[in-house]
Amino acid sequence: DAKTTQPTSMDCAEGRAANLPCNHSTISGNEYVYWYRQIHSQGPQYIIHGLKNNETNEMASLIITEDRKSSTLILPHATLRDTAVYYCIVMVGGTSYGKLTFGQGTILTVHP
Amino acid sequence: DSGVTQTPKHLITATGQRVTLRCSPRSGDLSVYWYQQSLDQGLQFLIQYYNGEERAKGNILERFSAQQFPDLHSELNLSSLELGDSALYFCASSVLGYEQFFGPGTRLTVL
Repeated sequence: DAKTTQPTSMDCAEGRAANLPCNHSTISGNEYVYWYRQIHSQGPQYIIHGLKNNETNEMASLIITEDRKSSTLILPHATLRDTAVYYCIVMVGGTSYGKLTFGQGTILTVHP
Repeated sequence: DSGVTQTPKHLITATGQRVTLRCSPRSGDLSVYWYQQSLDQGLQFLIQYYNGEERAKGNILERFSAQQFPDLHSELNLSSLELGDSALYFCASSVLGYEQFFGPGTRLTVL
């Protein structure tokens, strides 16, 4: 699986958009970009995933660059409950093999 | 609520002992994954089962073993416990490895 690089920490004001970057320059053609988050020792929570097109769901948007070497997770209106560690993971999807390799992630702190 | 249940929530035991952690996946999910989260190692993949068969192995110690039963629930067995095995143990389940749904975890404390 390709490696990812994320900033160690980021801050965001409540109500503003939080933009979390991720570099994955060695991504392969069949690897997806996944985002998970972990809120203080709870089980990680799936947020979104994409292959090459931008994706949006009720939680967030995922923007993947055309060369697929980087991506940005966007939380459009961050709330205090979005304070968490956010993990960007690159992995082949859609098969019965699916181990997640977690890096250090980005600690997002949302301030009032 | 992810639909994945884990028991027990907390477990306190002594070095050298053996414990069993249990996981019930979401209804219909054939894959079960086990992860360990310790302060110094972060979240690490241990092992995956798919429909009763071992599918992938990560950094799982020989003292640890797992299995998935015909009803798809899974158990992680940890033996000859050491202080360093103290950690949060998460179970996750999925259909085809797209999104994994994690349980609330079992916090193991080895004294």
